[in-house]
Amino acid sequence: DTGVSQDPRHKITKRGQNVTFRCDPISEHNRLYWYRQTLGQGPEFLTYFQNEAQLEKSRLLSDRFSAERPKGSFSTLEIQRTEQGDSAMYLCASSFTGATREEQYFGPGTRLTVT
Amino acid sequence: KNQVEQSPQSLIILEGKNCTLQCNYTVSPFSNLRWYKQDTGRGPVSLTIMTFSENTKSNGRYTATLDADTKQSSLHITASQLSDSASYICVVSRDTGGFKTIFGAGTRLFVKA
Repeated sequence: DTGVSQDPRHKITKRGQNVTFRCDPISEHNRLYWYRQTLGQGPEFLTYFQNEAQLEKSRLLSDRFSAERPKGSFSTLEIQRTEQGDSAMYLCASSFTGATREEQYFGPGTRLTVT
Repeated sequence: KNQVEQSPQSLIILEGKNCTLQCNYTVSPFSNLRWYKQDTGRGPVSLTIMTFSENTKSNGRYTATLDADTKQSSLHITASQLSDSASYICVVSRDTGGFKTIFGAGTRLFVKA
């Protein structure tokens, strides 16, 4: 257990529905990242926050995806009008920029299945 | 194009044997290289992290090497155990304004009794 938690761990939804995932980072960590991982591939960067500011978004983050970190603590990732291609593991990671070496700690992931 | 290539894609070894996983990257500029272990259905867990000036780093039975000139890294696992069965992911970060992390596809290791 790295200290990063994600909820839910599994989500099955029908195409066209909206889903929201939550990530709770390690409490003193100021950076929070979202990644998507499909079977047999490494994680792909989606977006990251420093405190409550969303500093970078990947081209993978289409307009159906939105992420928030309103108080600089937990974060949510929402996918609107889900498509079958959205089926993947969504990973959250957090880090502290004040550390000698910035280390990302990953949560267990949320596995999304779109039917 | 910034890429991280890992080989082999998968590997089967007998318990107690050693193995070496490879990572080649074309990421530039370079900040650091990390190796992660990912058990099935779980998030990656960091094994080692190396910066440009470091060419070897150990963590128990795991030893990572880095050749920044040839842009190659390896992860050597000694005296493998059944619990080493997992995906091993090489991750390279760029040293630019903003944050860019490129993940390899991973090597899937199976350790058999």
